[in-house]
Amino acid sequence: SQQGEEDPQALSIQEGENATMNCSYKTSINNLQWYRQNSGRGLVHLILIRSNEREKHSGRLRVTLDTSKKSSSLLITASRAADTASYFCATDGGKLIFGQGTELSVKP
Amino acid sequence: DGGITQSPKYLFRKEGQNVTLSCEQNLNHDAMYWYRQDPGQGLRLIYYSQIVNDFQKGDIAEGYSVSREKKESFPLTVTSAQKNPTAFYLCASSIQGADSPLHFGNGTRLTVT
Repeated sequence: SQQGEEDPQALSIQEGENATMNCSYKTSINNLQWYRQNSGRGLVHLILIRSNEREKHSGRLRVTLDTSKKSSSLLITASRAADTASYFCATDGGKLIFGQGTELSVKP
Repeated sequence: DGGITQSPKYLFRKEGQNVTLSCEQNLNHDAMYWYRQDPGQGLRLIYYSQIVNDFQKGDIAEGYSVSREKKESFPLTVTSAQKNPTAFYLCASSIQGADSPLHFGNGTRLTVT
C-alpha cells in the first residue's frame, strides 16, 4: 500500500540552483520524514516534520508540510553535485510507508 | 562506530534454493525492519520486529521468514516460495516511538537465476 508519492520522478538541475521535490500522501499522519539514497546504498535520514509543524529547516534543507492538502515539499538550496541522489518521503500512519522517490541529478 | 551491517553485499542463488540475508546492529535499537526495493521503486516492508522474540508481517511477507533471537540480529530468509526474489534488500533499525528515524544498512543485492 503506497502512501507517499513523490513528484517529479526525476529532476535535473545545474549546480547552484535550488531543487524542489514534492510528496503527497493519502491518510492522516503523525509525522513525515525525508530520506536520501545514494546509488546502491542504504537510505539516510534527512529531516522529520511532525503533523503539527508547518516548516522546518536543516542546513540547506527546508521542508514544509500542509496537512490540509496532505502534501509536503523538500527544498534543497544552492545544490551541489554531491546532492545527486534519490530522495524519498516516508509517512507514519502507524508504520513508516515510503514513496517511490525523486531522482535528483545535479550537474557541475 | 555504531551502525547496521548487512552481509553479503551481493548474493547469487539458483532458483529453488533458500537463502539467508544477515543484518546486525550495534545501536542498541529495539526495532528492526526488512524492506525490499525494486528498480525505480520505493521501499516495501517485508517484516518488522519491535522486540526480541517477536515480529510482525509487513505488506509483502509471503515467501519470506525472519527470526529475532537476539536484539542485535534480524536475519531474513528468502524461501523458494518467493516468486520474484531478485531485488535489493535493506535492513533498518530504530528506537521505539512514532518519531524515530530509521537507520539503514547498505543493503544486499540478491540475484536469483
